[in-house]
Amino acid sequence: GQQVMQIPQYQHVQEGEDFTTYCNSSTTLSNIQWYKQRPGGHPVFLIQLVKSGEVKKQKRLTFQFGEAKKNSSLHITATQTTDVGTYFCAGPADSWGKLQFGAGTQVVVTP
Amino acid sequence: DVKVTQSSRYLVKRTGEKVFLECVQDMDHENMFWYRQDPGLGLRLIYFSYDVKMKEKGDIPEGYSVSREKKERFSLILESASTNQTSMYLCASSRQGRNEKLFFGSGTQLSVL
Repeated sequence: GQQVMQIPQYQHVQEGEDFTTYCNSSTTLSNIQWYKQRPGGHPVFLIQLVKSGEVKKQKRLTFQFGEAKKNSSLHITATQTTDVGTYFCAGPADSWGKLQFGAGTQVVVTP
Repeated sequence: DVKVTQSSRYLVKRTGEKVFLECVQDMDHENMFWYRQDPGLGLRLIYFSYDVKMKEKGDIPEGYSVSREKKERFSLILESASTNQTSMYLCASSRQGRNEKLFFGSGTQLSVL
């Protein structure tokens, strides 16, 4: 079946640095979603990408969907302590609404 | 504000007990989900329901059952709790369709002793 893989699993970042997390699917995706889970919290939807090559920005976060619609990336510029958490990508697993989540990238920010 | 409410934030049970985890959503969503979250393993789908009384097994259904008698409520049942079911359980809901986002509850941290 479809697999969604995320790398790295863990990212330690100095405050002010940039970093990128990657998401790869074994199959072509109709869309990809990104979620953020703060420590002690629950996953919260961030964004959805639908078109091949699509790029969307949310302040310091830049999301990209690959041309082949099999991979995606999240780039954070000038990381802040508020960026701490685990970022998950997810692709549709069926037409009803089931999602296949990646294992997540846990981000730790040091001041 | 839209809401997915899980009945307990923390729960401690004994091995062999029957455990009920309740989830209620107020968004009139067709889909409801139960996930289990363990460190390093991400979110693993236990069961999925796309309509009242309809259910579908997820990736790790063994040891669990579910009930959806009303649209807004989705219950996860551990028939006989075991220590390897100690975990964070997350309920979620969504509208039906390929492009719909999930709304998650705050989670229930279950410890089975």
